[in-house]
Amino acid sequence: ETGVTQSPTHLIKTRGQQVTLRCSSQSGHNTVSWYQQALGQGPQFIFQYYREEENGRGNFPPRFSGLQFPNYSSELNVNALELDDSALYLCASSHLLAGVRDTQYFGPGTRLTVL
Amino acid sequence: ILNVEQSPQSLHVQEGDSTNFTCSFPSSNFYALHWYRWETAKSPEALFVMTLNGDEKKKGRISATLNTKEGYSYLYIKGSQPEDSATYLCAFPLTGTASKLTFGTGTRLQVTL
Repeated sequence: ETGVTQSPTHLIKTRGQQVTLRCSSQSGHNTVSWYQQALGQGPQFIFQYYREEENGRGNFPPRFSGLQFPNYSSELNVNALELDDSALYLCASSHLLAGVRDTQYFGPGTRLTVL
Repeated sequence: ILNVEQSPQSLHVQEGDSTNFTCSFPSSNFYALHWYRWETAKSPEALFVMTLNGDEKKKGRISATLNTKEGYSYLYIKGSQPEDSATYLCAFPLTGTASKLTFGTGTRLQVTL
């Protein structure tokens, strides 16, 4: 196991609601990235946080937002949920400055279902 | 937009068979290629990070090669075992850091007795 944990494991929400997903990074890692994996797709990069600041964003609307805390744990918040937000959400922790050879350590994901 | 493509989408082999699958990526602005193995209900697990043209990496019965000029990487599994059943993902950094990755859709491997 990677040491990255996510909660909850599963979540069911209705359209229009808001959701918060949580991630606890591997000890010593200062960067967390969030990915969305829709059915039949590979994981898609949502955004990354480094030292509590957003450090890059994929093609996701502003209703996807995040936080990183001083202990490097992180939250992903999604407002005004839509049916298409149903997916597996993965977080991954790493060292930003390790460069292209850096290995990201993934959590097991949170499965979000929007009805 | 970077496209990372993997083939085949799925593969069903018998125990003892050797198999391979392909990851294709843009050959320009190459930084690195990552391979991950993802078993059902577990976290994706890093297998290899490949950076140089002609790189060959090995981990037990699994190996990978890299051709950056033509934009492809092969993953080989020798003597497949049921525990090799998983989805194998390749990923390409969006920028010069590894923590913003574009993933392929994966190759789902099932190994039966």
